[in-house]
Amino acid sequence: AQTVTQSQPEMSVQEAETVTLSCTYDTSENNYYLFWYKQPPSRQMILVIRQEAYKQQNATENRFSVNFQKAAKSFSLKISDSQLGDTAMYFCAFYGSGGSNYKLTFGKGTLLTVNP
Amino acid sequence: DTGVSQNPRHKITKRGQNVTFRCDPISEHNRLYWYRQTLGQGPEFLTYFQNEAQLEKSRLLSDRFSAERPKGSFSTLEIQRTEQGDSAMYLCASSEDRAVQTQYFGPGTRLLVL
Repeated sequence: AQTVTQSQPEMSVQEAETVTLSCTYDTSENNYYLFWYKQPPSRQMILVIRQEAYKQQNATENRFSVNFQKAAKSFSLKISDSQLGDTAMYFCAFYGSGGSNYKLTFGKGTLLTVNP
Repeated sequence: DTGVSQNPRHKITKRGQNVTFRCDPISEHNRLYWYRQTLGQGPEFLTYFQNEAQLEKSRLLSDRFSAERPKGSFSTLEIQRTEQGDSAMYLCASSEDRAVQTQYFGPGTRLLVL
């Protein structure tokens, strides 16, 4: 079974600065997908960024980028120029293309607070 | 399209009562998922539908839980004889019917069992 570990329960950053959230995972599959989702307070979960394991190039979406290290099974999220609206719970999620190719496995999340 | 919707948004019930939640996926999304999220945890998978067929159920889904998706459109999740341990956020997500598609989440139904 796949596991996803987010070792930082909480983090804070000053507005306009850069912050990196960590995520590690464990799987025996070779083809899989990794996601970062954002869950603002009392609001629904939205996709931030997605990475296909077969792609060596790290995904980027505007101020959000990932550092995907397949051998190390690491998938960190970097947020540049942090904004107050980035305050949220961030979840790392794994999607396998093998036997579990119907569900997301989530980490416990990191609560990010952006301070003015 | 306004995205995945869920009703009710909040539900308070007494232990032993039955509750039913509804999820309306994004139109044309054939896949529908139910997750449960407890405080301080990430969502955990409960069950998955492809069209009207329920293809997978987690061990978390005890006999008191039942989910349906008649006609492959909206879905309902019913919990019978609720227990305090059922208190959680119940999330619904949908995706297109391709090998790997992003799952889009609804706002969730927060259940409190007294």
